Amino acid sequence: KAGVTQTPRYLIKTRGQQVTLSCSPISGHRSVSWYQQTPGQGLQFLFEYFSETQRNKGNFPGRFSGRQFSNSRSEMNVSTLELGDSALYLCASSREFPGELFFGEGSRLTVL
Amino acid sequence: GQQLNQSPQSMFIQEGEDVSMNCTSSSIFNTWLWYKQDPGEGPVLLIALYKAGELTSNGRLTAQFGITRKDSFLNISASIPSDVGIYFCAGQSGSGGSNYKLTFGKGTLLTVNP
Repeated sequence: KAGVTQTPRYLIKTRGQQVTLSCSPISGHRSVSWYQQTPGQGLQFLFEYFSETQRNKGNFPGRFSGRQFSNSRSEMNVSTLELGDSALYLCASSREFPGELFFGEGSRLTVL
Repeated sequence: GQQLNQSPQSMFIQEGEDVSMNCTSSSIFNTWLWYKQDPGEGPVLLIALYKAGELTSNGRLTAQFGITRKDSFLNISASIPSDVGIYFCAGQSGSGGSNYKLTFGKGTLLTVNP
């Protein structure tokens, strides 16, 4: 069965721009969560969506937002990009949250 | 907030050796998950543990959920070159829904010398 698909895999933006990342979960999985991974901070939880509702949120500024569609696909948006937003953004899906999370390959964002 | 202390931070071993890594916390967790991440890829789930004291194997991997619910370890037996990567532990707490929290360790970088 198809895994978690994230697009785009790589992107380069400049400070002040905004970016939208997409995630298609495993079929049948209704929970989608997002993580930011950097060498210094490791995996940091951004937010989690279930049935189009944000249920959990990490400690990130309001520039980071997301949404989930009726087909469980999810997008996250980062506005007014800063250099420190350069990271690998990982999406994970599961049938329920908590549960076994299955990760996509990530979207690597570089902010110049 | 909750923190997971994962150790060691890195290991350099010879092929065929056994490996052990662990995660500890001052907080109690309901579930422990162990992941492996290869360069440029997302983490892949290796083992999930749901009960205190549980010992679970997946091939050459064995993981245990500590009795106190505050720790977990992962063992890899007879390491091979493809075991190279970063291993993460993750602890789940809360009762679900908006009360749920998943915390990751900082990872253990494993290098296997052929």
